[in-house]
Amino acid sequence: QQQVRQSPQSLTVWEGETAILNCSYENSAFDYFPWYQQFPGEGPALLIAIRSVSDKKEDGRFTIFFNKREKKLSLHITDSQPGDSATYFCAASLGQGTGSKLSFGKGAKLTVSP
Amino acid sequence: GPKVLQIPSHQIIDMGQMVTLNCDPVSNHLYFYWYKQILGQQMEFLVNFYNGKVMEKSKLFKDQFSVERPDGSYFTLKIQPTALEDSAVYFCASSLGFTGGAETLYFGSGTRLTVL
Repeated sequence: QQQVRQSPQSLTVWEGETAILNCSYENSAFDYFPWYQQFPGEGPALLIAIRSVSDKKEDGRFTIFFNKREKKLSLHITDSQPGDSATYFCAASLGQGTGSKLSFGKGAKLTVSP
Repeated sequence: GPKVLQIPSHQIIDMGQMVTLNCDPVSNHLYFYWYKQILGQQMEFLVNFYNGKVMEKSKLFKDQFSVERPDGSYFTLKIQPTALEDSAVYFCASSLGFTGGAETLYFGSGTRLTVL
């Protein structure tokens, strides 16, 4: 059973627009939700993360909105730039100390057109 | 930022052969991970490793799989013998541990394994 689901699978926006990537999860015990960004030929890199006690986390142009009741979260990328074109993975874990296993979504490919 | 290096980037082998995937983790990291991603699917946790021992493994970590990090060198994933269903991209990750209320994993760029 897939623990973390992402939608859409791919998204194209124009430069300057806001891209919204959605994520939902099954396990209500998940406590830590990182988003990873992956460029072609590279490994996934942590972009931004949120804990379930918060409903919003902001870092520059990247914001996570979190709804614990609905078990949903979204990543908003404002003023999208061509350099943001990448695959974005939503992940979740119990967040209880070292060795927490991450459950990943399948990823969403974002293309920002100039 | 910190880099995790994986060698080789691609590997093609015949079914039944042994393969070793190598990972050079971030130098001061203590915790090591392998994840497996079948084409079109999500990355899935295989195993984590600390202080010379496996901490936890998933059901995907078959008996044919083993991990080690002899004398602080490469962290390796060995598959012996390989099967067709082992074809996937294998990602290595490392971390400092649980610090500042979270554990940040640093991933390598993956090794694409093709079993023929």
